[in-house]
Order: sequence, then C-alpha cells, then structure tokens
Amino acid sequence: AQSVAQPEDQVNVAEGNPLTVKCTYSVSGNPYLFWYVQYPNRGLQFLLKYITGDNLVKGSYGFEAEFNKSQTSFHLKKPSALVSDSALYFCAVRDRSNDYKLSFGAGTTVTVRA
Amino acid sequence: NAGVTQTPKFRILKIGQSMTLQCTQDMNHNYMYWYRQDPGMGLKLIYYSVGAGITDKGEVPNGYNVSRSTTEDFPLRLELAAPSQTSVYFCASSSQGPYEEQYFGPGTRLTVT
Repeated sequence: AQSVAQPEDQVNVAEGNPLTVKCTYSVSGNPYLFWYVQYPNRGLQFLLKYITGDNLVKGSYGFEAEFNKSQTSFHLKKPSALVSDSALYFCAVRDRSNDYKLSFGAGTTVTVRA
Repeated sequence: NAGVTQTPKFRILKIGQSMTLQCTQDMNHNYMYWYRQDPGMGLKLIYYSVGAGITDKGEVPNGYNVSRSTTEDFPLRLELAAPSQTSVYFCASSSQGPYEEQYFGPGTRLTVT
C-alpha cells in the first residue's frame, strides 16, 4: 500500500520569507514523488518530481524539494515566497512497483501575505 | 495544443439522473485517469486507462463507468446520481512510464440534489 501525509492543513508566511510545505510518505518499495499546485477553480499543475539521483530536486517557479529516505519525507521549499504562491499544494507518491496509481495527500493551503 | 479539456464546467443533477462527463486530450498520451476531489480529502482515483480499449478500477469506482474507444477520449458515466457523488471531477493524462507527471484538465463541478 502507498500513502501520503501532509501534516499541515494551512501554512501562512509573509512575502519574502522562506516557505516550507511538509510531506511524508509510505510505500512498500522505492517511491516516485511529486508535488502539484492548484490555483482556485483550476486543475492541478505539476511542480516537480523525484525519480532517482540527487536528493534535492528543483522545479517550476523557484520551488525545490528534498527527498529524505530515512525520514520518508519530501518537503517542498521556496527560499523567498511571493503573494502569487498562495494556492493549494498536493504531494503525491507512486510505489515503483505500481505502474499506474498515484496517491495524493489531502493538500496544504498556502497563504502568502504582502 | 489544448492539453486536457473537460466538459461541462458545472452541472446540477437531480437524484437518480444520469450524465456523462467528457474528457479529451491532444497530447497522444496512452494513460488517462479520472479523479474526484472532495474538500480536505485530496484526490481519489475513480478509474484509469492505459490505452484504447483498456480500463480498470481505481479506489472509488462504485457508481461510475468509463470507456476508452480512442486514445484521445475518456468519458466518465454517472448512472443513478446520488448526493454522495457531489464533488469536483478531474481528468488527467500522462505519457507511458510510472515516473511521468500527469496533466490535469480544469475540472467539472457536479452537484447532486
């Protein structure tokens, strides 16, 4: 079985401050990990993914995420948040033995105040 | 390149009615998916398809049916709508490979009353 936990329903930060959105996962084997963002009344958009190799993954809009196998975590980070980063963020995992099914976390709402 | 398109954007159904949610992608992706999104619950997989003529159940398939006659289209059928099917429905597609990201449509907001 595979699952994802996003322990924070909401994250509030001031513009210009660092942003972190937490994600932990559970898989029976090795994971593929993804982050998606959803703006109001829109579909999900892909931000970044971890497949293999370097534990620090860089993605769109200045976001990055660090894969930590010992802590089974894949936290999303941005060094300096913008008001336009305010959105709903989803972490997702797929066990490498599972070819099709992606499991999503419940989502974290990020609000960046000016 | 329109990506993944869904129709309609909004729909209100009465209990017991039926409808089809349309999904089309123009990226020649083999894999297509239907999800439902409920507040605070993330996305749940309803059905998926790995190619034309091949479909399989996801986590929450009850009350839904799908077909995949072409690579481009993956309609979702709701038979005998129930209030529990009130949700936002997303269609997605991806190229072959478990590490490939999925591309999502804009969603259909369905209310069953």
